[in-house]
Amino acid sequence: GAVVSQHPSRVICKSGTSVKIECRSLDFQATTMFWYRQFPKQSLMLMATSNEGSKATYEQGVEKDKFLINHASLTLSTLTVTSAHPEDSSFYICSAPGTTSIQYFGAGTRLSVL
Amino acid sequence: AQSVTQLDSHVSVSEGTPVLLRCNYSSSYSPSLFWYVQHPNKGLQLLLKYTSAATLVKGINGFEAEFKKSETSFHLTKPSAHMSDAAEYFCVVTTPAAGNKLTFGGGTRVLVKP
Repeated sequence: GAVVSQHPSRVICKSGTSVKIECRSLDFQATTMFWYRQFPKQSLMLMATSNEGSKATYEQGVEKDKFLINHASLTLSTLTVTSAHPEDSSFYICSAPGTTSIQYFGAGTRLSVL
Repeated sequence: AQSVTQLDSHVSVSEGTPVLLRCNYSSSYSPSLFWYVQHPNKGLQLLLKYTSAATLVKGINGFEAEFKKSETSFHLTKPSAHMSDAAEYFCVVTTPAAGNKLTFGGGTRVLVKP
């Protein structure tokens, strides 16, 4: 089946620094990818839709200047958490739609901001 | 608009006994429905999907789900639980009108007792 690779799996950073998370579709092209945030013991919340070659679409309440999304190619989307603070600590997951409406998920990135 | 309600936040079963995870959905259009499983600190793995074909859907690892339009339900079952089934399960809905955006249920945490 289709594979989505997400990197890094875990990152620890100091408050005020920026962190970049990559999401790659390994064996298929994805003009759209999705970024989710998951708090402990909670469900996934859609943050934004990443669109290849155009601006991302953010869900209500998500700060676009805080969470920068770039979808520069048909196989790569990046999420940059800018000036990270402890409240940004969370589990971030990306997904990409394959054929037949199935979404394939990355393994997630655990961000810890000290 | 679309929404998903997972009726049980936690389910505890003994190994070898049946598992039932309940899911009700709301959708203005013909939905596609999915069940995903998430093991701790991991991404999501697709168990099965319903996309307007057969109403009884068989998935991986012995799981199956039945789409009941009259009850707006898509409950997940497995005849005999295994220890490795302990995980978080998400019922998910999308429609063409939603542009591949997924709406997640709150999740059901399954505990399997030996």
